[in-house]
Amino acid sequence: DTGVSQNPRHKITKRGQNVTFRCDPISEHNRLYWYRQTLGQGPEFLTYFQNEAQLEKSRLLSDRFSAERPKGSFSTLEIQRTEQGDSAMYLCASSSKGQANNEQFFGPGTRLTVL
Amino acid sequence: GESVGLHLPTLSVQEGDNSIINCAYSNSASDYFIWYKQESGKGPQFIIDIRSNMDKRQGQRVTVLLNKTVKHLSLQIAATQPGDSAVYFCAENIYNTDKLIFGTGTRLQVFP
Repeated sequence: DTGVSQNPRHKITKRGQNVTFRCDPISEHNRLYWYRQTLGQGPEFLTYFQNEAQLEKSRLLSDRFSAERPKGSFSTLEIQRTEQGDSAMYLCASSSKGQANNEQFFGPGTRLTVL
Repeated sequence: GESVGLHLPTLSVQEGDNSIINCAYSNSASDYFIWYKQESGKGPQFIIDIRSNMDKRQGQRVTVLLNKTVKHLSLQIAATQPGDSAVYFCAENIYNTDKLIFGTGTRLQVFP
C-alpha cells in the first residue's frame, strides 16, 4: 500500500497524559499536512510542512501541540497534557509541490479519546 | 464503526437515481476546489477537483459544477449506488496558500 499511513489508529488516554501520533506520507510527496476533525465537522487545518520545514501553523495549534518532520519524510504530532477537548480524529495528508494543484491525499486518521 | 457527522444535512436517494450535493464556499480568492468522500472510520478520499478557471469538470459518474458568481459548488453523482453512501465534503484552496478549508459535509444515504 503506497498511500498515507497513520499510527496508531486509535488512542485512548487519560487527561493530563502526553500522546504522540505518527504519519508516513506518500513517498514522493514533499508536503505534509495535519488536520483535526471533530464529529459533525469537516477537517480543520492545523499545520503543514514542506520537506522538513514547518511553514504554517493554525491558531488552533496551542502551545501544548507540537509537530515535527525531522528528515522530511514521516511526521509526528505530539499533544502534551491532553484535555478532553482534544478528543478528535487527527488526519494527516500529503501532496507534491510539483503538482499543478494542491491535491491532498489523506490517511485513515488517528482517533484520540481523552478520558 | 464510528459515524462521521452525526448531525449533518442528509440527502436520501434511491439506488440508480442521480444525486446532487451542494456546497457554498467562503472566499472569493479561492482558486481550486476538491470534493472528498468520507466513509465511517476512514479519512477523506479524493473524488474530483476543479480549478477556478473552469465551470464544469466530469469524471467517472461524477460531475463538479462551479459558479463563482454566487460562490457555489455542486457534485453530481450519476446512477447512485449503495457504495456511494458516505459523508461528502467540499474543500477550497485560497490562492497562494497551501491549506484546504473544508465546508460542512453532507451525508448521502442510498436506499435499494
